[in-house]
Amino acid sequence: SAVISQKPSRDICQRGTSLTIQCQVDSQVTMMFWYRQQPGQSLTLIATANQGSEATYESGFVIDKFPISRPNLTFSTLTVSNMSPEDSSIYLCSVESSGTGELFFGEGSRLTVL
Amino acid sequence: AQSVTQPDIHITVSEGASLELRCNYSYGATPYLFWYVQSPGQGLQLLLKYFSGDTLVQGIKGFEAEFKRSQSSFNLRKPSVHWSDAAEYFCAVGARSRGNEKLTFGTGTRLTIIP
Repeated sequence: SAVISQKPSRDICQRGTSLTIQCQVDSQVTMMFWYRQQPGQSLTLIATANQGSEATYESGFVIDKFPISRPNLTFSTLTVSNMSPEDSSIYLCSVESSGTGELFFGEGSRLTVL
Repeated sequence: AQSVTQPDIHITVSEGASLELRCNYSYGATPYLFWYVQSPGQGLQLLLKYFSGDTLVQGIKGFEAEFKRSQSSFNLRKPSVHWSDAAEYFCAVGARSRGNEKLTFGTGTRLTIIP
């Protein structure tokens, strides 16, 4: 299994600002993903964080709004840019357990935008 | 495109009673199926998974699920629930695309346990 640490665990931000969420894994992993969980909703995949190349974004998500970095096999960041109240969500980092298809999740970063 | 339906938004059961949470999926081939649990303020924890083989899979915390291809279902069961089982439960279907594992999640079922 993988242990995933996310920072910050929660934050309250002002409209128009940006926030960067960090995800640290205790072992090297190939696949890292960022999910969004809006209040009372299920999880939606934002993007796959690729090491050494640009992230792969899902439909409805763009790099300008959600820039992602993946400098190595244990770390990734997600930035929520120019935030609005609609961006208030839990953002979850996830990694795939190599060869098993299982996903492991961090505890999430709860973001509130005023 | 794959999709997952969890028809029950909220279920309440008495402690010690049996539980079944429903999950129906849509996918063009044999799916990978998962159940995750999310306790309040926590991330998601994998309960069990189905990839192939035996259609009845056992998971952690006494949970099991049965894959029924003819019904496109993967219902989660537990014979006797405990108060600590109160949480949000998510069914998910996976597909391999370009070597990546992508999961599509259902909308979740919130489980409340009454004494």
